[in-house]
Amino acid sequence: EADIYQTPRYLVIGTGKKITLECSQTMGHDKMYWYQQDPGMELHLIHYSYGVNSTEKGDLSSESTVSRIRTEHFPLTLESARPSHTSQYLCASSDRSGPTDTQYFGPGTRLTVL
Amino acid sequence: DQQVKQNSPSLSVQEGRISILNCDYTNSMFDYFLWYKKYPAEGPTFLISISSIKDKNEDGRFTVFLNKSAKHLSLHIVPSQPGDSAVYFCAARGSNYKLTFGKGTLLTVNP
Repeated sequence: EADIYQTPRYLVIGTGKKITLECSQTMGHDKMYWYQQDPGMELHLIHYSYGVNSTEKGDLSSESTVSRIRTEHFPLTLESARPSHTSQYLCASSDRSGPTDTQYFGPGTRLTVL
Repeated sequence: DQQVKQNSPSLSVQEGRISILNCDYTNSMFDYFLWYKKYPAEGPTFLISISSIKDKNEDGRFTVFLNKSAKHLSLHIVPSQPGDSAVYFCAARGSNYKLTFGKGTLLTVNP
């Protein structure tokens, strides 16, 4: 069982607000990821990190930003939320030293921007 | 250009029978394949994986088969249980250990 947490689970917010989605893991995993998923669609990688002070953009362009100051923490920030940002955001982590590098997911944050 | 395809959006199976979920991919450089299960309003849960050098991996009721020449993999669940009802995602690992996901198949197991 993976120990990865996301808060809030649900967020409804108005256009133009700044938001931060939290993600924490207690497994000491060095790799962390953010995915975006719309209903009936695949998960799209928007950001990833291979360790502290390392962040990269994923395959899907996103206006969000991320930071990785501590191994266990990988927050995602939207400076000015828009209705097009409405989606489910999923955080994951994996252990680079493992042979399979399986990604384990948090419960997700369902974001609705009005 | 979708590199991982799950062509069946949904599948309905009777309890106790076998469920077969299919996945096709186009990138021959994928070296690892994973299946995840997702309930509504929750994150995906890892189920089972297979390396590209193998053709079968089994874990309890779950078996994944890989046909590299056809670029096709399948997940078999037997016997199916009502608690297996969820969306199942196929994922493939490419360069830099990044995963590419399919759109998922909604499995419904009827009692």
